[in-house]
Amino acid sequence: PTSMDCAEGRAANLPCNHSTISGNEYVYWYRQIHSQGPQYIIHGLKNNETNEMASLIITEDRKSSTLILPHATLRDTAVYYCIVRVRDSSYKLIFGSGTRLLVRP
Amino acid sequence: GAVVSQHPSWVICKSGTSVKIECRSLDFQATTMFWYRQFPKQSLMLMATSNEGSKATYEQGVEKDKFLINHASLTLSTLTVTSAHPEDSSFYICSANRGAYEQYFGPGTRLTVT
Repeated sequence: PTSMDCAEGRAANLPCNHSTISGNEYVYWYRQIHSQGPQYIIHGLKNNETNEMASLIITEDRKSSTLILPHATLRDTAVYYCIVRVRDSSYKLIFGSGTRLLVRP
Repeated sequence: GAVVSQHPSWVICKSGTSVKIECRSLDFQATTMFWYRQFPKQSLMLMATSNEGSKATYEQGVEKDKFLINHASLTLSTLTVTSAHPEDSSFYICSANRGAYEQYFGPGTRLTVT
């Protein structure tokens, strides 16, 4: 969605649809806090991934994925970008409009 | 994560002058860097891909003679906005590839042309 909100301490689940993704294209998630450069969160190909920031759940058909912030804090308020990395050697990242997440106290 | 810096963080210049923005990868070498532009309330727009030791590749619609890119070393890429005009005022962000899967962004440079 364009925007969503969640309560502080709760899990934030951000969906992304990428129905035309190709077999060797990765799904990346970045976020941008106001007036800063984007911050890398996580990426995956087909298996679910987890790191210290978030979990990435990719459906078996790879047509959609969900970014999960397990315990959202106020500092997680940002615009979140789901990106399918371009399938060439340049590794370009093309940004869409993102999802604005507001974490409520 | 890896660190990418930009200098300056903000700059104000007069219309018609040129401005150079530096992007450095501080703790890794980057053969490929990218330059983005972001207008208020909009997403990042990729301007060009900067390759160390070769000419930059510009996205469609980006004037290569206006936005000069030089990637002279594995840790430094520069973007020069030539003959800047008020419509060039924007937030310029660079990023650098570390290996095949990781790309890190700088903090951005806010350019205001008066």
